[in-house]
Amino acid sequence: GAGVSQSPRYKVAKRGQDVALRCDPISGHVSLFWYQQALGQGPEFLTYFQNEAQLDKSGLPSDRFFAERPEGSVSTLKIQRTQQEDSAVYLCASSSYPVSPRSYNEQFFGPGTRLTVL
Amino acid sequence: DQQVKQNSPSLSVQEGRISILNCDYTNSMFDYFLWYKKYPAEGPTFLISISSIKDKNEDGRFTVFLNKSAKHLSLHIVPSQPGDSAVYFCAASGGGSEKLVFGKGTKLTVNP
Repeated sequence: GAGVSQSPRYKVAKRGQDVALRCDPISGHVSLFWYQQALGQGPEFLTYFQNEAQLDKSGLPSDRFFAERPEGSVSTLKIQRTQQEDSAVYLCASSSYPVSPRSYNEQFFGPGTRLTVL
Repeated sequence: DQQVKQNSPSLSVQEGRISILNCDYTNSMFDYFLWYKKYPAEGPTFLISISSIKDKNEDGRFTVFLNKSAKHLSLHIVPSQPGDSAVYFCAASGGGSEKLVFGKGTKLTVNP
C-alpha cells in the first residue's frame, strides 16, 4: 500500500511569504505528527493529531505556525510570514495508534518537504 | 537540554563485522524506544523498537538492547552490509505523550 506522501518536496520562499505544506498519511491511520528537522539535527516534534483533533501543539515554535486536519485524513502545516530560521525539512508521520496497542506505535514517515527561506 | 543523546556522530565498520550504535536518555518517563534509519533526501524508516518491559528485541540482523538502570540502549547490526550505510536515529516516547524525541543521529559507513 501507499506510504505517507508529502507535497511539495521542495519549496523556496522569500522572507515574509506564507507557505502551506501538505501531508497525506497512510490510509486508516488515526494519528498524525509533524516534525521539523534542521541540518545536522534529529527531527523535533511540532504537533500531533488524533483524527481531526489537535491533541498536542506544544512544539510549534511561534504563532506563525498553524496546522490543521479538518477531516481526520490529510493535514496541512501553514507557516505565515516565513523567516530564514524556518528553513528546514518538515516531516510528517502517521501511526495506527491508538487503534493498535501502545507497543506498536511505530510512526511511518513521509519523505519530507525541504523549505528554504531566502 | 537533550533528552536523547547519541554521542557518536559517525561510525565506520568493515563489511561482515558488527556495528554497535549507542543511545542514552535522561527522561525516566520514556517507556518505548525506536531506531530509525535515514538515507539522504528520504524520510526516516522504522527499523526496530523495544518496550521498557523488555531488555532485548531481535529482528533478523538487528538487535536492540535496553539497560533501564543505565538509561542506555544500543543497536547491534550483525553482519554489517554496505547497504546499511545511513544515518541512524534513536527515538523515545512516554510520559503520556505519543511524540517521539530524537537524538541527533549517528552516520554509519560500512566499507566493502
